[in-house]
Amino acid sequence: GENVEQHPSTLSVQEGDSAVIKCTYSDSASNYFPWYKQELGKRPQLIIDIRSNVGEKKDQRIAVTLNKTAKHFSLHITETQPEDSAVYFCAASRGSSNTGKLIFGQGTTLQVKP
Amino acid sequence: GAVVSQHPSWVICKSGTSVKIECRSLDFQATTMFWYRQFPKQSLMLMATSNEGSKATYEQGVEKDKFLINHASLTLSTLTVTSAHPEDSSFYICSARPIAGGGYTFGSGTRLTVV
Repeated sequence: GENVEQHPSTLSVQEGDSAVIKCTYSDSASNYFPWYKQELGKRPQLIIDIRSNVGEKKDQRIAVTLNKTAKHFSLHITETQPEDSAVYFCAASRGSSNTGKLIFGQGTTLQVKP
Repeated sequence: GAVVSQHPSWVICKSGTSVKIECRSLDFQATTMFWYRQFPKQSLMLMATSNEGSKATYEQGVEKDKFLINHASLTLSTLTVTSAHPEDSSFYICSARPIAGGGYTFGSGTRLTVV
């Protein structure tokens, strides 16, 4: 079945440094790859997403890259701030309609030290 | 933007009782809704896909007789945890994607505690 692997499980960086989280997916038909930030007891919040027809997307300090051939995608956060500390999840789904199920990676706990 | 309302936000029930969780799309039609379960410090695990007007599709290992899903309208899906046990205690969250496209919208989640 579909599977999304995410690494690392925990990541600690100094404020101002960059953080990189990587994911691989198994379903070659996947074409939508969102990243979520989740705070304890809250719903996941979309922070950036990318579709399979694009190799890179950037939004201020956050960027996502996609390598369809290798079936992996990465989240890059630059100039990290303490408020970036949270759990981050990657996910993948297939299909352009509303019926494609979203499969999540295992999550990465990011700690940004002041 | 698209909004999904989920109720209740938390519930405590006795072992052996049933609990119903509702998810309602407020400003869009959701022909499909996804139900996830999240244990502490773990990822969101897809339990089932709820389809309006038809039977839900359950992921491998999820008991369909224990987790009853009803999707009777284009805006409402319900998950009933039947004969709940302490091991069912978890964070349950629904998600839907508008027919017109865009990203997935999540409900606010339900914290279920079975005592």
